[in-house]
Order: sequence, then C-alpha cells, then structure tokens
Amino acid sequence: DAGVTQSPTHLIKTRGQHVTLRCSPISGHKSVSWYQQVLGQGPQFIFQYYEKEERGRGNFPDRFSARQFPNYSSELNVNALLLGDSALYLCASSLDAGGYEQYFGPGTRLTVT
Amino acid sequence: QKEVEQNSGPLSVPEGAIASLNCTYSDRGSQSFFWYRQYSGKSPELIMFIYSNGDKEDGRFTAQLNKASQYVSLLIRDSQPSDSATYLCAVSYNNFNKFYFGSGTKLNVKP
Repeated sequence: DAGVTQSPTHLIKTRGQHVTLRCSPISGHKSVSWYQQVLGQGPQFIFQYYEKEERGRGNFPDRFSARQFPNYSSELNVNALLLGDSALYLCASSLDAGGYEQYFGPGTRLTVT
Repeated sequence: QKEVEQNSGPLSVPEGAIASLNCTYSDRGSQSFFWYRQYSGKSPELIMFIYSNGDKEDGRFTAQLNKASQYVSLLIRDSQPSDSATYLCAVSYNNFNKFYFGSGTKLNVKP
C-alpha cells in the first residue's frame, strides 16, 4: 500500500509570495495533520483535519490555512511568506481523529529567500 | 513551559549495547505516547506507541510508560549503527490528534 505522499518535494519562494503544499493520506485514513519542522527541532503542529473539518489548530498566524477534500487529500496554504517560514512541512495521516498513531509523508522542504 | 522534554544528546553507545532514551511530559491529560525515529533529511517514522502504564516490547524496542511520574522511555537492545538517528517522543490527547513533539535525542551507535 502507498504511504502518505506529498508534493512538491522541494520549493524555493521569495518573501511575500504564496505557496500551496499538497498531501495525500494513506488509503482508508480520514485524518490529516500538518506540521512544521525547523532544523534541530521537533515537528510543530499546525492543523488537523478530519472529515473535511478543522479539528485543531496550533499556534500559527492566520497566514497559514488548510483544507481537506472529499477524497481526504489536503492542502496547506501559506500567504505572505517570511524568511522564518523556511522549514520542512510534514503531513501525517491517521485512521481517525483522537490520539491514533500518525504516519508521516516525506515532507516538502520550503526555502524562502 | 514545553509540553515534552528530551535530552538533545548526542547519546553515544557501542554496537550491541542497550540505548536508553528518555522523555518527560508536562500535561497529565496526555493519553497516548509515541516514539518516532528520524534520519537526517528524512521524515519521522513511527517506531512504537504505548497507552498504558508499564512496558511494551516490539522486537529490539521496549517502550516504558509511567504516568504518575509523567515519564516515557525507549530502550533499544543490541544497538546497531543503523539505529543512529534522532529519536522523537510525542504525546497526544485521545480526543484529538494534536501531537506535541520533543526536540529529539540524537543517538550515535559506534561500530
């Protein structure tokens, strides 16, 4: 079975631009979460979506938004990019919402110049 | 106050030894506990999870949970050089999938 997939793998953007990252969960998984991982730190929670609804939001500015589609895939959007947004963005899927084990995709490496 | 604390390491152990990784968490409401391994430049991969007090064994790995002390550990027996990675501890609440991650402990297994 295919694991979590993310696209693109790498991305270079300029300050002020907008970016969209995409994620497809493991087949049968209905929950998708997004994390930001800065070098040397653990992943930081951004959003959780379950059945197309936002179930949780971390401490990130409104420049960050996300949505989940009927096929359970998800997009993370970041507006007005800042240098500090440079990070590895990870998508994780789980069978359901509520403390179940999560499986991570390979991530999207975003560099903002 | 950080939700999850880990010693950043590096923790160095010789090949074949037992590596012991530790994690403490601050919220007594935490219900689920996870250990992830992350190789440099890669995404975290789930090693094992534990929900109840006590020990849980899976191959060379043993997770230990003590909710009274708010302490989770991971033991790796017969450590191999391929175990060299950063180990992330994560905790979550059963009503939603918000995971709190520690900063990770870097493990070096020397041949």
